[in-house]
Amino acid sequence: GAGVSQTPSNKVTEKGKYVELRCDPISGHTALYWYRQSLGQGPEFLIYFQGTGAADDSGLPNDRFFAVRPEGSVSTLKIQRTERGDSAVYLCASSFTGGTPTGELFFGEGSRLTVL
Amino acid sequence: GDSVTQMEGPVTLSEEAFLTINCTYTATGYPSLFWYVQYPGEGLQLLLKATKADDKGSNKGFEATYRKETTSFHLEKGSVQVSDSAVYFCALSDRGGTSYGKLTFGQGTILTVHP
Repeated sequence: GAGVSQTPSNKVTEKGKYVELRCDPISGHTALYWYRQSLGQGPEFLIYFQGTGAADDSGLPNDRFFAVRPEGSVSTLKIQRTERGDSAVYLCASSFTGGTPTGELFFGEGSRLTVL
Repeated sequence: GDSVTQMEGPVTLSEEAFLTINCTYTATGYPSLFWYVQYPGEGLQLLLKATKADDKGSNKGFEATYRKETTSFHLEKGSVQVSDSAVYFCALSDRGGTSYGKLTFGQGTILTVHP
């Protein structure tokens, strides 16, 4: 499709397990973002990629969280040793450039992570 | 740090009623302001934006005016429809109109419109 695609849409895992969440941005979009949305809250910024490099990872909560974008397109958010507090919807967004004048991000539908 | 506060919801209205969703912000710089909307089963999408004081963003009958003096960006619509039922998020970007997409969001307001 033409939009931002995220997989899986739902992931249930056990505490302590490793999880990968994938984001396929809109073709040609150079900027990619990860956000996390807890129940009843607005999205919170995690990390921003411009091309292959992480331009801003100041929102990653701790070193259990890591994200890559090796070819400047698809990105993977990796969470090690998951904890129950990691349960949330993880949103991916993309835009044509990091400094898009419209300020418009295109969001995927999110990956809902539940840690039991 | 930056923050966005939205009026507490949920908001329930009858069709054709007037809508206001309040949004105030705190920012260290001169932010750009946004309203995003999330319809059921869909991803967040930009509804409207304003990049400087007194700018009015508008789209689909919704409007919001950037008020620097009151640090507010209230969302309004004169006559809501059932299809407007969604979750609305106020957000800011603290690097001006050409900022990258590091947004600070409010907690969201659920709007339900009944026929």
